[in-house]
Amino acid sequence: NAGVTQTPKFRVLKTGQSMTLLCAQDMNHEYMYWYRQDPGMGLRLIHYSVGEGTTAKGEVPDGYNVSRLKKQNFLLGLESAAPSQTSVYFCASSLKGGTQYFGPGTRLTVL
Amino acid sequence: SQQGEEDPQALSIQEGENATMNCSYKTSINNLQWYRQNSGRGLVHLILIRSNEREKHSGRLRVTLDTSKKSSSLLITASRAADTASYFCATGDGYSGGSNYKLTFGKGTLLTVNP
Repeated sequence: NAGVTQTPKFRVLKTGQSMTLLCAQDMNHEYMYWYRQDPGMGLRLIHYSVGEGTTAKGEVPDGYNVSRLKKQNFLLGLESAAPSQTSVYFCASSLKGGTQYFGPGTRLTVL
Repeated sequence: SQQGEEDPQALSIQEGENATMNCSYKTSINNLQWYRQNSGRGLVHLILIRSNEREKHSGRLRVTLDTSKKSSSLLITASRAADTASYFCATGDGYSGGSNYKLTFGKGTLLTVNP
Protein backbone atom coordinates (compact mmCIF):
# COMPACT_ATOMS: atom_id res chain seq x y z
CA ASN A 1 0.00 0.00 0.00
CA ALA A 2 1.97 3.00 -1.30
CA GLY A 3 -0.53 5.67 -0.24
CA VAL A 4 -0.12 8.85 -2.29
CA THR A 5 2.77 9.03 -4.74
CA GLN A 6 3.93 11.94 -6.89
CA THR A 7 6.01 11.99 -10.05
CA PRO A 8 8.50 13.54 -10.57
CA LYS A 9 10.19 14.50 -7.27
CA PHE A 10 12.22 17.34 -8.79
CA ARG A 11 12.02 19.27 -12.04
CA VAL A 12 13.65 22.32 -13.56
CA LEU A 13 11.85 24.09 -16.41
CA LYS A 14 12.58 27.09 -18.55
CA THR A 15 10.00 29.85 -18.83
CA GLY A 16 7.36 28.90 -21.37
CA GLN A 17 7.88 25.13 -21.19
CA SER A 18 5.05 22.81 -20.25
CA MET A 19 4.90 19.83 -17.95
CA THR A 20 2.52 17.48 -16.18
CA LEU A 21 2.74 16.37 -12.56
CA LEU A 22 1.23 13.02 -11.78
CA CYS A 23 -0.42 12.08 -8.51
CA ALA A 24 -1.54 8.52 -7.82
CA GLN A 25 -3.32 7.04 -4.80
CA ASP A 26 -4.12 3.42 -4.05
CA MET A 27 -6.59 3.99 -1.20
CA ASN A 28 -9.70 4.22 -3.39
CA HIS A 29 -10.26 7.81 -2.24
CA GLU A 30 -12.93 9.91 -3.87
CA TYR A 31 -11.38 13.34 -3.30
CA MET A 32 -8.02 14.51 -4.58
CA TYR A 33 -6.28 17.86 -4.25
CA TRP A 34 -3.32 19.81 -5.60
CA TYR A 35 -1.62 22.39 -3.37
CA ARG A 36 1.38 24.60 -3.72
CA GLN A 37 3.58 25.58 -0.81
CA ASP A 38 5.72 28.70 -0.86
CA PRO A 39 7.91 30.05 1.95
CA GLY A 40 5.81 31.92 4.50
CA MET A 41 2.58 31.22 2.63
CA GLY A 42 1.46 27.87 3.97
CA LEU A 43 -0.42 25.59 1.58
CA ARG A 44 -2.72 27.03 -1.04
CA LEU A 45 -5.25 24.94 -2.94
CA ILE A 46 -4.83 24.99 -6.72
CA HIS A 47 -7.51 22.57 -7.94
CA TYR A 48 -9.40 19.67 -6.51
CA SER A 49 -11.61 16.80 -7.58
CA VAL A 50 -14.53 15.17 -5.82
CA GLY A 51 -14.65 12.16 -8.11
CA GLU A 52 -13.56 10.62 -11.38
CA GLY A 53 -14.21 12.97 -14.26
CA THR A 54 -14.80 16.04 -12.06
CA THR A 55 -12.53 18.96 -11.24
CA ALA A 56 -12.97 22.32 -9.52
CA LYS A 57 -10.92 25.45 -8.96
CA GLY A 58 -9.28 26.21 -5.67
CA GLU A 59 -7.73 29.38 -4.33
CA VAL A 60 -4.94 29.84 -6.93
CA PRO A 61 -5.97 28.06 -10.17
CA ASP A 62 -4.56 30.48 -12.76
CA GLY A 63 -1.87 28.99 -14.98
CA TYR A 64 -2.75 25.40 -14.10
CA ASN A 65 -5.06 22.75 -15.51
CA VAL A 66 -6.04 19.39 -14.09
CA SER A 67 -7.64 16.16 -15.16
CA ARG A 68 -9.09 13.20 -13.27
CA LEU A 69 -9.69 10.56 -15.96
CA LYS A 70 -9.16 7.70 -13.53
CA LYS A 71 -10.20 7.63 -9.90
CA GLN A 72 -6.69 6.85 -8.71
CA ASN A 73 -4.88 9.54 -10.70
CA PHE A 74 -4.96 13.33 -10.61
CA LEU A 75 -2.82 15.24 -13.10
CA LEU A 76 -1.67 18.82 -12.76
CA GLY A 77 -0.55 20.57 -15.92
CA LEU A 78 1.41 23.74 -16.50
CA GLU A 79 0.89 24.86 -20.08
CA SER A 80 3.44 27.70 -20.13
CA ALA A 81 5.57 27.76 -17.01
CA ALA A 82 6.45 31.07 -15.36
CA PRO A 83 9.02 31.83 -12.62
CA SER A 84 6.11 32.60 -10.27
CA GLN A 85 5.21 28.91 -10.45
CA THR A 86 8.46 27.93 -8.76
CA SER A 87 7.19 26.11 -5.70
CA VAL A 88 6.75 22.80 -3.96
CA TYR A 89 3.62 21.02 -5.14
CA PHE A 90 1.75 18.59 -2.94
CA CYS A 91 -1.00 16.21 -3.88
CA ALA A 92 -3.44 14.89 -1.30
CA SER A 93 -6.43 12.59 -1.21
CA SER A 94 -9.26 11.88 1.18
CA LEU A 95 -11.99 9.29 1.36
CA LYS A 96 -14.87 11.74 1.35
CA GLY A 97 -13.65 14.83 3.13
CA GLY A 98 -12.02 14.71 6.56
CA THR A 99 -8.45 13.58 6.92
CA GLN A 100 -6.23 14.27 3.93
CA TYR A 101 -3.27 12.06 3.03
CA PHE A 102 -0.37 13.81 1.38
CA GLY A 103 2.24 12.78 -1.14
CA PRO A 104 5.94 13.56 -0.69
CA GLY A 105 5.88 16.62 -2.93
CA THR A 106 7.39 17.79 -6.21
CA ARG A 107 9.96 20.56 -6.10
CA LEU A 108 9.62 22.65 -9.28
CA THR A 109 11.97 25.41 -10.34
CA VAL A 110 11.14 27.62 -13.33
CA LEU A 111 14.08 29.60 -14.70
CA SER B 1 -12.01 32.49 2.63
CA GLN B 2 -11.70 31.24 6.18
CA GLN B 3 -8.14 30.60 7.21
CA GLY B 4 -6.38 29.33 10.28
CA GLU B 5 -3.59 31.51 11.58
CA GLU B 6 -1.08 29.84 13.86
CA ASP B 7 0.65 31.53 16.73
CA PRO B 8 3.52 31.70 17.40
CA GLN B 9 5.25 31.53 14.03
CA ALA B 10 8.24 29.85 15.66
CA LEU B 11 8.77 28.13 19.00
CA SER B 12 11.97 26.76 20.48
CA ILE B 13 11.92 24.57 23.61
CA GLN B 14 14.02 22.01 25.43
CA GLU B 15 13.35 18.30 25.26
CA GLY B 16 10.89 17.26 27.94
CA GLU B 17 9.05 20.57 27.98
CA ASN B 18 5.51 21.06 26.74
CA ALA B 19 4.80 22.93 23.52
CA THR B 20 1.60 24.87 22.90
CA MET B 21 0.56 26.23 19.53
CA ASN B 22 -2.55 28.24 18.83
CA CYS B 23 -4.76 28.65 15.80
CA SER B 24 -7.39 31.27 15.14
CA TYR B 25 -9.89 31.29 12.30
CA LYS B 26 -12.47 33.63 10.93
CA THR B 27 -15.74 31.91 10.09
CA SER B 28 -17.84 28.96 11.21
CA ILE B 29 -16.25 25.58 10.62
CA ASN B 30 -17.25 21.95 10.34
CA ASN B 31 -14.01 20.70 11.85
CA LEU B 32 -10.44 21.73 12.54
CA GLN B 33 -7.42 19.55 11.87
CA TRP B 34 -3.76 19.66 12.82
CA TYR B 35 -0.99 18.43 10.56
CA ARG B 36 2.77 18.04 10.99
CA GLN B 37 5.38 18.57 8.31
CA ASN B 38 8.96 17.49 8.70
CA SER B 39 11.42 19.51 6.66
CA GLY B 40 11.08 18.77 2.97
CA ARG B 41 8.38 16.16 3.46
CA GLY B 42 4.63 15.92 2.93
CA LEU B 43 2.12 16.77 5.64
CA VAL B 44 0.97 14.12 8.08
CA HIS B 45 -2.42 14.26 9.73
CA LEU B 46 -2.29 14.42 13.54
CA ILE B 47 -5.79 14.95 14.84
CA LEU B 48 -9.26 16.14 13.83
CA ILE B 49 -11.68 17.86 16.17
CA ARG B 50 -15.27 18.49 15.15
CA SER B 51 -17.11 21.73 15.80
CA ASN B 52 -19.25 20.11 18.51
CA GLU B 53 -16.21 18.82 20.42
CA ARG B 54 -14.22 20.83 22.94
CA GLU B 55 -11.19 18.64 23.59
CA LYS B 56 -9.52 15.64 22.08
CA HIS B 57 -6.47 13.58 22.99
CA SER B 58 -4.16 11.36 20.98
CA GLY B 59 -1.08 10.05 22.74
CA ARG B 60 1.00 13.07 23.78
CA LEU B 61 -1.25 15.43 21.82
CA ARG B 62 -4.11 17.40 23.26
CA VAL B 63 -6.27 19.63 21.09
CA THR B 64 -8.89 22.07 22.32
CA LEU B 65 -11.46 23.96 20.32
CA ASP B 66 -13.34 27.08 21.39
CA THR B 67 -15.87 27.92 18.70
CA SER B 68 -17.05 31.03 20.54
CA LYS B 69 -13.53 32.47 20.28
CA LYS B 70 -12.86 30.81 16.93
CA SER B 71 -9.63 29.35 18.23
CA SER B 72 -7.88 26.05 18.82
CA SER B 73 -4.74 24.98 20.60
CA LEU B 74 -2.41 22.04 20.14
CA LEU B 75 -0.44 20.88 23.16
CA ILE B 76 2.44 18.46 22.80
CA THR B 77 3.51 17.11 26.17
CA ALA B 78 6.97 15.84 27.10
CA SER B 79 8.40 16.95 23.78
CA ARG B 80 11.16 15.05 22.00
CA ALA B 81 13.76 16.11 19.46
CA ALA B 82 11.80 14.09 16.90
CA ASP B 83 8.85 16.46 17.37
CA THR B 84 10.85 19.16 15.58
CA ALA B 85 8.67 20.08 12.60
CA SER B 86 6.21 22.62 11.28
CA TYR B 87 2.66 22.31 12.57
CA PHE B 88 -0.34 23.51 10.58
CA CYS B 89 -3.95 23.92 11.47
CA ALA B 90 -6.55 23.48 8.76
CA THR B 91 -10.21 24.36 8.84
CA GLY B 92 -12.85 22.37 7.04
CA ASP B 93 -15.37 24.47 5.19
CA GLY B 94 -18.35 22.24 5.58
CA TYR B 95 -19.92 19.22 4.03
CA SER B 96 -22.59 20.01 1.48
CA GLY B 97 -24.15 16.70 0.64
CA GLY B 98 -20.76 15.13 0.22
CA SER B 99 -20.01 17.09 -2.90
CA ASN B 100 -17.80 19.89 -1.70
CA TYR B 101 -15.13 19.58 0.93
CA LYS B 102 -11.95 21.59 1.17
CA LEU B 103 -9.43 22.53 3.83
CA THR B 104 -7.85 25.92 4.28
CA PHE B 105 -4.39 25.81 5.86
CA GLY B 106 -2.64 28.35 8.03
CA LYS B 107 0.98 29.34 7.58
CA GLY B 108 2.25 27.07 10.32
CA THR B 109 4.28 27.13 13.52
CA LEU B 110 7.89 25.97 13.31
CA LEU B 111 8.66 23.98 16.45
CA THR B 112 12.26 23.26 17.37
CA VAL B 113 12.90 20.87 20.24
CA ASN B 114 16.48 21.07 21.45
CA PRO B 115 18.03 17.92 22.92
